[in-house]
Amino acid sequence: DAGVTQSPTHLIKTRGQQVTLRCSPKSGHDTVSWYQQALGQGPQFIFQYYEEEERQRGNFPDRFSGHQFPNYSSELNVNALLLGDSALYLCASSLGRAQYFGPGTRLLVL
Amino acid sequence: AQSVAQPEDQVNVAEGNPLTVKCTYSVSGNPYLFWYVQYPNRGLQFLLKYITGDNLVKGSYGFEAEFNKSQTSFHLKKPSALVSDSALYFCAVRDREDAGNMLTFGGGTRLMVKP
Repeated sequence: DAGVTQSPTHLIKTRGQQVTLRCSPKSGHDTVSWYQQALGQGPQFIFQYYEEEERQRGNFPDRFSGHQFPNYSSELNVNALLLGDSALYLCASSLGRAQYFGPGTRLLVL
Repeated sequence: AQSVAQPEDQVNVAEGNPLTVKCTYSVSGNPYLFWYVQYPNRGLQFLLKYITGDNLVKGSYGFEAEFNKSQTSFHLKKPSALVSDSALYFCAVRDREDAGNMLTFGGGTRLMVKP
């Protein structure tokens, strides 16, 4: 049984570009959440998707958007990248209260 | 608003000794509490959770945590530390009254276990 998978593992972009990160949840999980973990800090909640809709959102600008597909997989899109968007982006899936995290995508914005 | 504090940036302990990693929380309602561990260049691995019931929660790899409502704490413990326990540990809270699934994390505590 595969756990949460994310792609790509690493990504380098330049300021102003757009990026799409992908996540496949753990088998049987229907809810996907995205977190941003800056270097040396704890993860911060971006948003959560359930039934293909954004259900909850953290304190992130509209440049951060997402999507959930019928198979429960999800994408995180970030437009107009800033240097400060450099971070590890974590996807978590859940069916109930505990969330299970993927290995993350490390994004570097130059 | 909910918040988590991990007052120690780093905890040092000798192998074989007991370890404690501290966590205090603040939520408007009742909490769900979680501990996660992160190894270098890896995502978060779930260790244990407190939902309800017994205040002492047992989790993976011999870890346990004690929920103390009066002190709003959820300290992580292990009776005998291993060198392989060295990692970054995160405490997280979710408000039970929150219909969503948002976790609020502490800043993390680096555990160093020396041989």
